[in-house]
Amino acid sequence: QSVLTQPPSASGTPGQRVTISCSGSSSNIGSKTMHWYQQLPGTAPKLLIYNNDQRPSGVPDRFSGSKSGTSASLAISGLQSEDEADYYCAAWGDTRNVLYVFGTGTKVTVL
Amino acid sequence: EVQLVQSGAEVKKPGESLKISCKGPIDSFDNYWIAWVRQMPGKGLEWMGIIYPRDSDTRYSPSFQGQVTISVDKSIGTAYLQWSSLKASDTAMYYCARSLSVITEKPFDSWGQGTPVSVSS
Repeated sequence: QSVLTQPPSASGTPGQRVTISCSGSSSNIGSKTMHWYQQLPGTAPKLLIYNNDQRPSGVPDRFSGSKSGTSASLAISGLQSEDEADYYCAAWGDTRNVLYVFGTGTKVTVL
Repeated sequence: EVQLVQSGAEVKKPGESLKISCKGPIDSFDNYWIAWVRQMPGKGLEWMGIIYPRDSDTRYSPSFQGQVTISVDKSIGTAYLQWSSLKASDTAMYYCARSLSVITEKPFDSWGQGTPVSVSS
């Protein structure tokens, strides 16, 4: 059972802004850098955001990440039909014991 | 982009053994941690465990400790995930993924295409 909680679903119309939350605790989000992954239907996950708010090369700037206290957020500005996917927050829950944790996942639907 | 290439789909019976693979570029293979991630049908991502090819340091999520074995052959740039006795509940898609560093909290920046495993009598 994941210790990073996300809403199961979010939706918006093309062009809207959608925000996905990721709620944790002081021992995970509060003290760790957050990552976000996008999983398009039928494909492998892809890194979307790392170090809380950094985008890998090739990720559109309409995707942005932030973190405050024990919560993190992923925002999609100017929602597009190709953004319909599952989104997961994640973090190294315990670097000493080398354990990584994924959030529960959010399905984004473009209406 | 670094390619991790996984072995093909598997159909097995309960009680059978299985070993699936994940091949990466040999020249950089032992500079990265390789993890395995499970995704059961219609469900989210679950982190299973990880191995550092340079010294074979292997760690498991408590949920998967004793259920699977992660290994590596760095001479051929390949990591493995194996089961000694499959159960129907092992039916899932399995992904491998690569991280440059744990201690500096690097993300998994490259993923394999996934290996679907189906276990049914």
